[in-house]
Order: sequence, then C-alpha cells, then structure tokens
Amino acid sequence: GAVVSQHPSWVICKSGTSVKIECRSLDFQATTMFWYRQFPKQSLMLMATSNEGSKATYEQGVEKDKFLINHASLTLSTLTVTSAHPEDSSFYICSARARGLAGVTYEQYFGPGTRLTVT
Amino acid sequence: LAKTTQPISMDSYEGQEVNITCSHNNIATNDYITWYQQFPSQGPRFIIQGYKTKVTNEVASLFIPADRKSSTLSLPRVSLSDTAVYYCLVGAYSGNTPLVFGKGTRLSVIA
Repeated sequence: GAVVSQHPSWVICKSGTSVKIECRSLDFQATTMFWYRQFPKQSLMLMATSNEGSKATYEQGVEKDKFLINHASLTLSTLTVTSAHPEDSSFYICSARARGLAGVTYEQYFGPGTRLTVT
Repeated sequence: LAKTTQPISMDSYEGQEVNITCSHNNIATNDYITWYQQFPSQGPRFIIQGYKTKVTNEVASLFIPADRKSSTLSLPRVSLSDTAVYYCLVGAYSGNTPLVFGKGTRLSVIA
C-alpha cells in the first residue's frame, strides 16, 4: 500500500529557533499534500493544503509566515515552524493524496506524525 | 463539507462486537464515507470506505442505509489492541478537498 513518511519523528527545540519537518510519499506521486496539527486529547486540525509547485492554501487562523510550507516535488513537502514558541508544541501530521484520473477517488494516506516540543 | 456526529466514547469487553454509528445528515451525492483509526502518537490509519449498502474487509464492516444519512462501523470480536480513536469522515476524494476530522469516538476495550 501507499506509504507516507515523516522526518523527524520527534524533535525538541529551543524557543525562537526554526524547525523543518519533511513529509515524503514513498511509492506514489502526491499532487496534493495536507498538513494537520493535533494537540493532546484533541482531533486533527487541518492547517494547510499544498499542491506541487504552487503556494499552499492555509486554513483560517493559521499564520502563513510562521508555518512555511514548500511542496517542491511530487514526493516531498516540508513544513517549517519559524521562531517556534512553547505554544507551537504539538503533533504534526502530514497526509498525501495520489495523482489520479478525473472521476477516480483516492484516499488520503497519512504519515506517522512528528512530535514537536518547544522549550 | 458534510458534518459528522459520533459518540465521544465507548467501552467494550474483549471478544465483543462493537458498533459505532456516525450521523451525516447533509451528505452530498458525491461523498464517500470513510473510517480511520488512530492510536496515540500515530497518524490515522485507513480502516474502510463505502458509498452505500455494505462493505466488508478483513478488519471491519461498514453498513450504510439507503438514505446514507448515517453509517455504522462494525468491529467483530474486539481485542485490547483495538483501543483507539475512530473517526468517521464524509467527503469526496478528488482534487484539493481535504479530509476534515470531527471529534471521533474513543473506544476503550477492557479485558
């Protein structure tokens, strides 16, 4: 089946620094990738949608200058948390949708998540 | 996007069948119903997807009535390892439309 990987699986950083999280589709081409954030005991919250080669579309309330998303290729998207603060500590999950023909539905495949802790 | 409503939590003993019902009154014609499972500190895992009637795979069954305004995920003979959060999602899969997660159902399986 389709596999999505994330790196790193966990990261601890100091307040004010930036952290980059990579999301890769290992065995399929992902025209669209999604980034979610999940706080403890809560559901996944969509942060942004990105298409290969174009700017990401951010959900309301998500700061685009703080959460930089780059979808440089059909298999790689990156999320950079700039000037991280303790309130950015969360579980970040990426998801990818495969390229498909018109009218054909494809499921979203999820990565294992990245635990970010900002001290 | 169709809004979903499901119970916040459920408890079950090992070996029992568990049925989790999801309401989605404003489901659209092109929408599919999909269920995901999530363990703590892991990404969601696809369980099953359907459009109408009944779908069965090696881990679960999905029952969808004719009006498609609800669906029921059935887990046969649950074990402790089935303790997780189960999400019911409704939507079309094409293009940029993302899956939007509701609160999910926290299933606790007791020995």
